[in-house]
Amino acid sequence: AQTVTQSQPEMSVQEAETVTLSCTYDTSESDYYLFWYKQPPSRQMILVIRQEAYKQQNATENRFSVNFQKAAKSFSLKISDSQLGDAAMYFCAYRRDYYGGSQGNLIFGKGTKLSVKP
Amino acid sequence: DAGVIQSPRHEVTEMGQEVTLRCKPISGHNSLFWYRQTMMRGLELLIYFNNNVPIDDSGMPEDRFSAKMPNASFSTLKIQPSEPRDSAVYFCASLRAYSGNTIYFGEGSWLTVV
Repeated sequence: AQTVTQSQPEMSVQEAETVTLSCTYDTSESDYYLFWYKQPPSRQMILVIRQEAYKQQNATENRFSVNFQKAAKSFSLKISDSQLGDAAMYFCAYRRDYYGGSQGNLIFGKGTKLSVKP
Repeated sequence: DAGVIQSPRHEVTEMGQEVTLRCKPISGHNSLFWYRQTMMRGLELLIYFNNNVPIDDSGMPEDRFSAKMPNASFSTLKIQPSEPRDSAVYFCASLRAYSGNTIYFGEGSWLTVV
């Protein structure tokens, strides 16, 4: 069974600084997707970034980027120029690729609570 | 485009009462997921549908929980009778196959059973 591990329950960063959140996963599959979701106090789950396992290039979305190491099964999230609005729970998630099909669940890590200090 | 729409956003009910949570997936999405989030267990899948058919309901905790998807634009999650341990945030999410495999979440339904 696939598992996702986030080893940092809490992290803190100074405003305008850079922070990296860690995520490792375990799977025997070769085709899959990895995601980072942000959950602010409102509890809404917001997609931050997505990575396809078949792509070697790391995904980037504005101030958010990932370091995807497929062999090491590692998928870290880097937040640059941290802003107060980045304070939230961040969840790493895995989903098997059923060749475009819609079967398959998201497997979530336990989350990392990020605080941003002014 | 409208996102996944859930109702009610908040509900407080007494133990033993029936609770019905509703979800409208994003138009054109053919998979729908119900998740529950608690402090103790984190995010866990309850059930998901593909083309209105339940595919995996192994996460449904017990017979008190039931879910239906009568058509492509509507789903319900029902708890009868409700218990205090059912207090949680319930998320509905949807996905369109062959289109990026990204699951989009609704804003959640906060349920408190007293």
